[in-house]
Amino acid sequence: AQSVTQLDSQVPVFEEAPVELRCNYSSSVSVYLFWYVQYPNQGLQLLLKYLSGSTLVESINGFEAEFNKSQTSFHLRKPSVHISDTAEYFCAVSGGATNKLIFGTGTLLAVQP
Amino acid sequence: GAGVSQSPSNKVTEKGKDVELRCDPISGHTALYWYRQRLGQGLEFLIYFQGNSAPDKSGLPSDRFSAERTGESVSTLTIQRTQQEDSAVYLCASSLALVGNTGELFFGEGSRLTVL
Repeated sequence: AQSVTQLDSQVPVFEEAPVELRCNYSSSVSVYLFWYVQYPNQGLQLLLKYLSGSTLVESINGFEAEFNKSQTSFHLRKPSVHISDTAEYFCAVSGGATNKLIFGTGTLLAVQP
Repeated sequence: GAGVSQSPSNKVTEKGKDVELRCDPISGHTALYWYRQRLGQGLEFLIYFQGNSAPDKSGLPSDRFSAERTGESVSTLTIQRTQQEDSAVYLCASSLALVGNTGELFFGEGSRLTVL
């Protein structure tokens, strides 16, 4: 069975500073990895995904994540955050014979001016 | 509408009552998922439906919880004899295909359930 760990429940950061949101997963099979974002008072939406191929994936708003199989990680990074990036970020994993998408507990990114 | 629609958006009920939550997926989406999000916690998988295959019910927390889906359309999540710990936002999501093929679930706004 797959599982996801997001160790940081909240990450405060100043605007224009870099940020890394950590995600580690556990799986005995090949995995697909995702980051979803939930902006205040909005539903969840896909931010980026790793299915296969290049281990570095990017979103349209400057976030990137790198699949690291040896460290079973899929950390999310952005070199310079904006106030508008304030949201809850969820890492998720799926794979093997199951189509279930298992989510982590989420990390609240709080960008301060 | 073009998105996943859930109703009711808010439901307040008394302990011991039954509740029914509804989800209208995006037309043509073969996969449908239910998740529960308790206050301050992550998304807890409940159940998913994929086409005509038997649903994966492995996440349902107790036999008080059940869900049905009519073909590839509407789904209802039923909670019998509600308890206070059932209070949460219940999220529905749909997907065009298997997660590994598209990787994208489209979520509804959720149904917030409060059990007094």
